[in-house]
Amino acid sequence: GQQLNQSPQSMFIQEGEDVSMNCTSSSIFNTWLWYKQEPGEGPVLLIALYKAGELTSNGRLTAQFGITRKDSFLNISASIPSDVGIYFCAGHSQGGSEKLVFGKGTKLTVNP
Amino acid sequence: DTAVSQTPKYLVTQMGNDKSIKCEQNLGHDTMYWYKQDSKKFLKIMFSYNNKELIINETVPNRFSPKSPDKAHLNLHINSLELGDSAVYFCASSAGAWVGYTFGSGTRLTVV
Repeated sequence: GQQLNQSPQSMFIQEGEDVSMNCTSSSIFNTWLWYKQEPGEGPVLLIALYKAGELTSNGRLTAQFGITRKDSFLNISASIPSDVGIYFCAGHSQGGSEKLVFGKGTKLTVNP
Repeated sequence: DTAVSQTPKYLVTQMGNDKSIKCEQNLGHDTMYWYKQDSKKFLKIMFSYNNKELIINETVPNRFSPKSPDKAHLNLHINSLELGDSAVYFCASSAGAWVGYTFGSGTRLTVV
């Protein structure tokens, strides 16, 4: 089945630093999504991308849909302690089943 | 108003017992899902229903039986619980996988 390779697996950064994480796939996706999960909660949608090359921002978060449609990137600028959590990428193939394929997550720790 | 609500939040039970988890969404979505998140935080789809009809049934032991009495509700019944069933179970709903899911806050199941 389809798999997403998400990296890095974990990150430990200082408050104020920028963060970058990415997801790659061996197959093409028509939609890329980025989620954040905080402890004790379900994942929450941050950004959705629908077009190759698309760059979308949500506050300090910026995500890009790779031109090959096989990858996506999420950047967080000027990190703050509340950015702590697990970030998941997810992809969907048009014509595929009604499900998202999820990456294994990037656990972000921000030291004040 | 909680968009996707699951009950209970925590469930501790003994091996061999039967338990149910309930999920309700007030978003008017046609599709609902059950996901299992293991100790490594990997999100694995179990089932999906579209307007009360089962559309996704991944390789899940038949001790797990979903039921959707209407499109706003998707319950999960688990028979003969085993230690390996310990995990966080998430319910989610969507208007279409390509626009992303809305997740509930999860049910932490601990089998002792």
